[in-house]
Parts: sequence; C-alpha cells; structure tokens
Amino acid sequence: ILNVEQSPQSLHVQEGDSTNFTCSFPSSNFYALHWYRWETAKSPEALFVMTLNGDEKKKGRISATLNTKEGYSYLYIKGSQPEDSATYLCALSGSARQLTFGSGTQLTVLP
Amino acid sequence: DAGVIQSPRHEVTEMGQEVTLRCKPISGHDYLFWYRQTMMRGLELLIYFNNNVPIDDSGMPEDRFSAKMPNASFSTLKIQPSEPRDSAVYFCASSLDLAGGTDTQYFGPGTRLTVL
Repeated sequence: ILNVEQSPQSLHVQEGDSTNFTCSFPSSNFYALHWYRWETAKSPEALFVMTLNGDEKKKGRISATLNTKEGYSYLYIKGSQPEDSATYLCALSGSARQLTFGSGTQLTVLP
Repeated sequence: DAGVIQSPRHEVTEMGQEVTLRCKPISGHDYLFWYRQTMMRGLELLIYFNNNVPIDDSGMPEDRFSAKMPNASFSTLKIQPSEPRDSAVYFCASSLDLAGGTDTQYFGPGTRLTVL
C-alpha cells in the first residue's frame, strides 16, 4: 500500500509571491511520482512525472523536485498568479499502474 | 485527439434508479481507470482495465457497482440501484503502457451524479 501525504492542506498567497508545498511518502517503493493540477469544475491535469532521486522538472513558473532518500517532493510556483489557483495533487504509481493520490494542497492566489 | 470523453456531464436521478456512466478513452491507450471524487474521501480509484480486461476492482464500493469495457474505445460504469450516498463526481482516465510506470493518466471532464 502506498501512502501519500500533502501539506499544507490549503494555502493563500498574494499575487507575485513565490510558494511551495510538500508531498511526503514514508516508503520509496514506487515507480513514479506524479504532480497534477486540478482547477475547480475541471479535471486533473498532469504537470510532472518523476522517477529518480534528484529529479527536477520545470514548466514555466512551476517546478518540482524529488528526494526519494528523505521521502518528499516539493512543488514550487514562482511569482504566483491568480490563474495558478487550483488544487495540486501528488500521486504515486506502483507496479500495478494505479495512482494513489494525496489529499491535495488547495492554493488560492489573491490579486 | 479530443482527449478522454465522458457522458453525461451531469446526471440527476432518483434513488433506486439505474445509472450508466460512459467513457471513451484516448485512442491507443492501454489502460482505463474509473475514479470517484467525494469531499470525504477525495479521489479514489474504483476499478481499472488493461487492454479491456478488468485488473483490479477492489475499489468498487459494493455489488451495486459494475463496470465493463467491451472494446478498446468504450467503457461503462453502472450503478443499480442508485442511492443518495453515490452522489459524487465520477472521472474516467486513460494512459499508455510505458516502461517504469511513468505513464501519465489523462482525465476526462467527469460526470457529476446527484441521486435524490
């Protein structure tokens, strides 16, 4: 069984602020770690997939890192914009292909 | 590609009625997943298929729920009889079969089910 915890549960930041949140996992016995972005009334959208310790991925102002030795992944948003407001989900995939999702971090960027 | 297609987008029904949710995965994808999103439990996996074969249905709540995938381009999730506690958003997702488990799941827009 894969366990995924995300923190904080929710976060409010001002437009222009940079922010980050955490996905932690007690065991590194998984194939890949996924980050998804989920806007209200829409479907989850894939951001990154990471597999190796030290992996770093970047898409525009959003980046992510993976540390399997210490059991966490960080998602960073530089210069937050109101359109970044969404729930950010972390998920682990095992050998059986299904994703185990965390409960998400709900980000609100205030104009 | 149009992405994962789900229908209907919204469904309102009365307790005891049969509900059928439909999904068309992305063409060429090997895996299809059905998820349910609720406030209490978040996003939970119900069942998934590989090459049209059900692999793991341990997330299906009870016998009232059933899912089929008669071919590579169509799947259904049926609830019979429906109950108010089944009210949720049901998502379908599909993915390729990539080595190392790195396949990204692509989600459909979801079906919002309300059982009165």
